Amino acid sequence: DAGITQSPRYKITETGRQVTLMCHQTWSHSYMFWYRQDLGHGLRLIYYSAAADITDKGEVPDGYVVSRSKTENFPLTLESATRSQTSVYFCASSAQGVNSPLHFGNGTRLTVT
Amino acid sequence: ILNVEQSPQSLHVQEGDSTNFTCSFPSSNFYALHWYRWETAKSPEALFVMTLNGDEKKKGRISATLNTKEGYSYLYIKGSQPEDSATYLCAFQGGGADGLTFGKGTHLIIQP
Repeated sequence: DAGITQSPRYKITETGRQVTLMCHQTWSHSYMFWYRQDLGHGLRLIYYSAAADITDKGEVPDGYVVSRSKTENFPLTLESATRSQTSVYFCASSAQGVNSPLHFGNGTRLTVT
Repeated sequence: ILNVEQSPQSLHVQEGDSTNFTCSFPSSNFYALHWYRWETAKSPEALFVMTLNGDEKKKGRISATLNTKEGYSYLYIKGSQPEDSATYLCAFQGGGADGLTFGKGTHLIIQP
């Protein structure tokens, strides 16, 4: 079924470990986004990408790395996980940036112990 | 960091009643305003994307208005039903773009 999928749905990792969250969309949308959701903060933008090989920082990029070698994939890597990165992570895509609606994945719940 | 405020934070409404809530955003450098509905255990789903001052959008019993000069948008729900229970998010995009900035949402509970 077409759409946007995130994996894994749940992940527990230890402080200092590297972890990668995957995001894949089948619409060939140009834009992709990573948000984190924390109690009291709502959704905050980590990184976004306007096209393959183009990425930009959002509001809270520190400690994260992204890449976009193919239009359909936008992985998010935590290079050395910290407890403050415990959160629910949402990937989203849109056809034309912010003039078109965002389509969200189901989220990845990450716990850093 | 852009300031996008939603009020109220939560709202209890009787089934059948109509309700509305507010999203406030910077009035300068406006580009777009989005509304999303977020049901528990699901991901946010788009309701409206609004770009022009005075815009009014409608989807079934839900409608939204936009005032970019004063920096606010209203979301209206007519004849609330239990399935309308959700968190409603607005998100602002200013020109020069760092992606959408989301408000913290209005948590709506429809009581039978």
